[in-house]
Amino acid sequence: NAGVTQTPKFRILKIGQSMTLQCTQDMNHNYMYWYRQDPGMGLKLIYYSVGAGITDKGEVPNGYNVSRSTTEDFPLRLELAAPSQTSVYFCASSPYTRRGNQPQHFGDGTRLSIL
Amino acid sequence: QKEVEQNSGPLSVPEGAIASLNCTYSDRGSQSFFWYRQYSGKSPELIMSIYSNGDKEDGRFTAQLNKASQYVSLLIRDSQPSDSATYLCAGFYSGGGADGLTFGKGTHLIIQP
Repeated sequence: NAGVTQTPKFRILKIGQSMTLQCTQDMNHNYMYWYRQDPGMGLKLIYYSVGAGITDKGEVPNGYNVSRSTTEDFPLRLELAAPSQTSVYFCASSPYTRRGNQPQHFGDGTRLSIL
Repeated sequence: QKEVEQNSGPLSVPEGAIASLNCTYSDRGSQSFFWYRQYSGKSPELIMSIYSNGDKEDGRFTAQLNKASQYVSLLIRDSQPSDSATYLCAGFYSGGGADGLTFGKGTHLIIQP
């Protein structure tokens, strides 16, 4: 029972490089999310998707892009990495709900350092 | 501005006592609230969810919601050392361009053996 799987678990990038953080879920959830968590802080929403082909910005979308071609996959793209993007990135998923009353299931996270 | 506020702590509680964690939120539009537990270096793990005013109990955990006061709390009875973690309060907001959870910064709980 895999749940939400994120790869890679750790990555070090140089300033200006780009990379894609992978996220896949096997629970057939419609909703998927990307959050970042800086040290000592709560999680902040970067992007979310309510289904294949539909994505929208969250609270802190600048410097990131996403796509959702399938229900299972929701990759997060960093273009021109900057030190301010050093963080732990969590992907989450939840079933469809109009009231948001279904809990979100989180992956194990990707720890990203930009040097 | 959708904000969820928590006292960052640390909150130190003797083993076997009741731990009380509190959270306030700014936007009355929030529809659902969640408490997540996060161990250091790990991902958030759902502890409790609450959607309507009043109390909800699950084992040693009780969540309380007061929408009039915009206040959410989590009580942990018979606290155990394994309860030592950071507890994140989150509210779900829908509409306005961002459907997702707004998290507080978390309360660091220490259970003293």
